[in-house]
Amino acid sequence: DAKTTQPTSMDCAEGRAANLPCNHSTISGNEYVYWYRQIHSQGPQYIIHGLKNNETNEMASLIITEDRKSSTLILPHATLRDTAVYYCIVRVAHFGNEKLTFGTGTRLTIIP
Amino acid sequence: DVKVTQSSRYLVKRTGEKVFLECVQDMDHENMFWYRQDPGLGLRLIYFSYDVKMKEKGDIPEGYSVSREKKERFSLILESASTNQTSMYLCASSPTARQTTEAFFGQGTRLTVV
Repeated sequence: DAKTTQPTSMDCAEGRAANLPCNHSTISGNEYVYWYRQIHSQGPQYIIHGLKNNETNEMASLIITEDRKSSTLILPHATLRDTAVYYCIVRVAHFGNEKLTFGTGTRLTIIP
Repeated sequence: DVKVTQSSRYLVKRTGEKVFLECVQDMDHENMFWYRQDPGLGLRLIYFSYDVKMKEKGDIPEGYSVSREKKERFSLILESASTNQTSMYLCASSPTARQTTEAFFGQGTRLTVV
């Protein structure tokens, strides 16, 4: 699996857009970018994923650069409940005899 | 809703005890994973299984073993618990599919070894 690099921590004001970057410069052509988040004392929760096109769902938007070497997760109007650790991982299209590895993620703090 | 259930939320065990952490999923997923989470170290993969009776080592398998006798159940075993195995343990499952798939996590078991 390709390795990802994320900032250790970030702050964002409540109501503003939170932009979380992720570098995955060694990503392969068949690997997807996935984002998960982990709220304190809970298991990680899936947010969104994409291959090369930008994606949006009810939780967030995912912007992937044209060369696919980096991406940004956008929470458009951050609330206090968005305070969490956010993980960016890259995976092939299906699981099967393959690791699913996470790094240390970005600790996002939403400030009132 | 997909549910991944870990048998205990909190567990306290003594050094040298044999400890079983149980994980059950109800969505017929082929793949199951065990992680431990420690401050500053993120989620680290201990073992995973892609089928019944199949297991693969993750990044930190030392001191652990696993069992997958049934598709829905994946057990993590600490043969002789030590204090450095005090941690949060998380189980996850996911299907094998041609389409992209997400992993689903349990709530975690906070194990303290005294």
